Amino acid sequence: DAGVIQSPRHEVTEMGQEVTLRCKPISGHNSLFWYRQTMMRGLELLIYFNNNVPIDDSGMPEDRFSAKMPNASFSTLKIQPSEPRDSAVYFCASSSGTVAGNQPQHFGDGTRLSIL
Amino acid sequence: DQQVKQNSPSLSVQEGRISILNCDYTNSMFDYFLWYKKYPAEGPTFLISISSIKDKNEDGRFTVFLNKSAKHLSLHIVPSQPGDSAVYFCAASARDTGNQFYFGTGTSLTVIP
Repeated sequence: DAGVIQSPRHEVTEMGQEVTLRCKPISGHNSLFWYRQTMMRGLELLIYFNNNVPIDDSGMPEDRFSAKMPNASFSTLKIQPSEPRDSAVYFCASSSGTVAGNQPQHFGDGTRLSIL
Repeated sequence: DQQVKQNSPSLSVQEGRISILNCDYTNSMFDYFLWYKKYPAEGPTFLISISSIKDKNEDGRFTVFLNKSAKHLSLHIVPSQPGDSAVYFCAASARDTGNQFYFGTGTSLTVIP
């Protein structure tokens, strides 16, 4: 079975450019999560969706970050304009059910973002 | 402020011996705990979980122990193998936080052949 698919795997761009990260969750999963991994803070939840609806975006660092989930099989995380401090690995994860208690999240392989 | 803490950034163990990875949490409402394993350039992979109604869960070489009074959980790997070398993250969630998982900062395990 296909797991969570993220694209691109690597992105290098200049400061000020728009960056769009993409995620395809596991088919049948109805919750989707965007994380950012940094050395200092580990895995930080940015936003999560349930049934395509954003539930909690309190982890989104600034208005420069936005996320959408237009349908059950696709989500985007956009940074506009990008800044060097946004450089990190961004992960997308998905899970089934509405309660986290019994459902592990399954992660994609991440997008390594470098802003020059 | 980290609600889930892994205070040991790294751990080295000889092959065949036991690896013990530790995790502490601060939120007494957490009722579900997980361990993830992460290899370089890959996403975290779910390893094992435990509900707060239990104090132990075992899956092959991996056992997770939960001490609710101490707000502490640990992952035991016996026997350790070189392929276990990876970064291990613990995570926790509570029903009143919906689907949100709180992750520790990870412990890098090296199993020496």
